[in-house]
Amino acid sequence: ETGVTQSPTHLIKTRGQQVTLRCSSQSGHNTVSWYQQALGQGPQFIFQYYREEENGRGNFPPRFSGLQFPNYSSELNVNALELDDSALYLCASSLNQGTYEQYFGPGTRLTVT
Amino acid sequence: ILNVEQSPQSLHVQEGDSTNFTCSFPSSNFYALHWYRWETAKSPEALFVMTLNGDEKKKGRISATLNTKEGYSYLYIKGSQPEDSATYLCASRASNYKLTFGKGTLLTVNP
Repeated sequence: ETGVTQSPTHLIKTRGQQVTLRCSSQSGHNTVSWYQQALGQGPQFIFQYYREEENGRGNFPPRFSGLQFPNYSSELNVNALELDDSALYLCASSLNQGTYEQYFGPGTRLTVT
Repeated sequence: ILNVEQSPQSLHVQEGDSTNFTCSFPSSNFYALHWYRWETAKSPEALFVMTLNGDEKKKGRISATLNTKEGYSYLYIKGSQPEDSATYLCASRASNYKLTFGKGTLLTVNP
């Protein structure tokens, strides 16, 4: 196992609602990245946080936002949920910003109805 | 190549067969190439990170090569076992933080 945990495992929400997904990084890791994997696609980069600051962002609208806490755990928040937001959301932690290795959690499966 | 592409999409082999997959990626602004092994309901597991043209890495029966000039990497599995059944993902890193993934190759090894 990678030591990265995510909660919840599964979640069902209604269109228009808001959702918060959580990620606990591997011990000592100060960088976390979030990815969205839609059905039949590879994971798509959402954003990365380094020492509580957003460090880079993919092609996702502003209703996707995040937080990283002093203990380096992280949240992904999605507002105004749309049906297309249904996907597996993965977080990955790395030792620091410049480290190659990213260690993934098992993901949160979000279903929007 | 603008995106990361993997082939084949899926593969069925018999136990004991050797197999290989391909990952194609943009060769410009190349930083690193990652391979992950992903079993259902588990976390993706890092197999290799490669950065140098001509790099070859090996982990047990699994090995990988990298050609950064032409933008491709091969993953080889020698003597496939049922426990090798998984999705194999490659990802290209073209900056300090962003991984761009392919769609993966789903390998099924029949006993």
